[in-house]
Amino acid sequence: GAVVSQHPSRVICKSGTSVKIECRSLDFQATTMFWYRQFPKQSLMLMATSNEGSKATYEQGVEKDKFLINHASLTLSTLTVTSAHPEDSSFYICSASSGQRNQPQHFGDGTRLSIL
Amino acid sequence: AQSVTQLDSQVPVFEEAPVELRCNYSSSVSVYLFWYVQYPNQGLQLLLKYLSGSTLVESINGFEAEFNKSQTSFHLRKPSVHISDTAEYFCAVSVYSGGYNKLIFGAGTRLAVHP
Repeated sequence: GAVVSQHPSRVICKSGTSVKIECRSLDFQATTMFWYRQFPKQSLMLMATSNEGSKATYEQGVEKDKFLINHASLTLSTLTVTSAHPEDSSFYICSASSGQRNQPQHFGDGTRLSIL
Repeated sequence: AQSVTQLDSQVPVFEEAPVELRCNYSSSVSVYLFWYVQYPNQGLQLLLKYLSGSTLVESINGFEAEFNKSQTSFHLRKPSVHISDTAEYFCAVSVYSGGYNKLIFGAGTRLAVHP
C-alpha cells in the first residue's frame, strides 16, 4: 500500500517555540494533503486541507496564523505550530490522497507534540 | 449533512470470539465508506473500503464489512479475534466539501481482546 512518512514522531519543547512537522508521500503523488489533530481517546479532527501549490483551506475554528501549512510539492506538506503553548500539546496526524473521492487517504504515523 | 455514528465506544471480547463493531452513516448521496484501524501512538491504517459493487468487502486479516443501504450501515465483523486485534477502529465516509474530498470519521470504537 501507499506509504506516508511523518517526521518527527515526537517533539518535546518549551512554550513559545515554533515546531515544524513534515509529511511526505513516498510512493505516489499526493495532490491533496490533510492535517488532523487528535485528543486522547477521541476521533480525528480535521484542521486543514491543502492542494499542491495553493493555500490551505482551514476548518472553522482553526487559527491559520497559528498553524501554518505549506504544500510546496506533490510529495511534501509541512505544518508549523507557531509560538506553541501547552494547550497546543496533542497528537497531529497527516494524510495524503490523490484527491479523488473513491481513493482512500493514506496516513502518516503521527507526531506527539508536548509543550512544557 | 453527512455524519458517521459508531454506537459502541468500547467493545471487550475474549480471544477467538466473534466481534461486530457497528457503524451507521447519514448521507443523501452515494457513499464511499472506509474502516481504518489505529494502534497506540500510530497513525491510521486502511482496513477495508466499500466503493461500489459487492456489498460485502473483506480485508486480508480476516475482517469483513457489509454495506447495507436500507439500514445505512457498514458494520465491521470478524469471526475469531486475536490479541493483536486490540486497537481503535474508525469508520469513515467520504464527502465532497469546500472543494475537497474529505473524510468524516466516527468517534471510534476501542476493541479490547482479552486472553
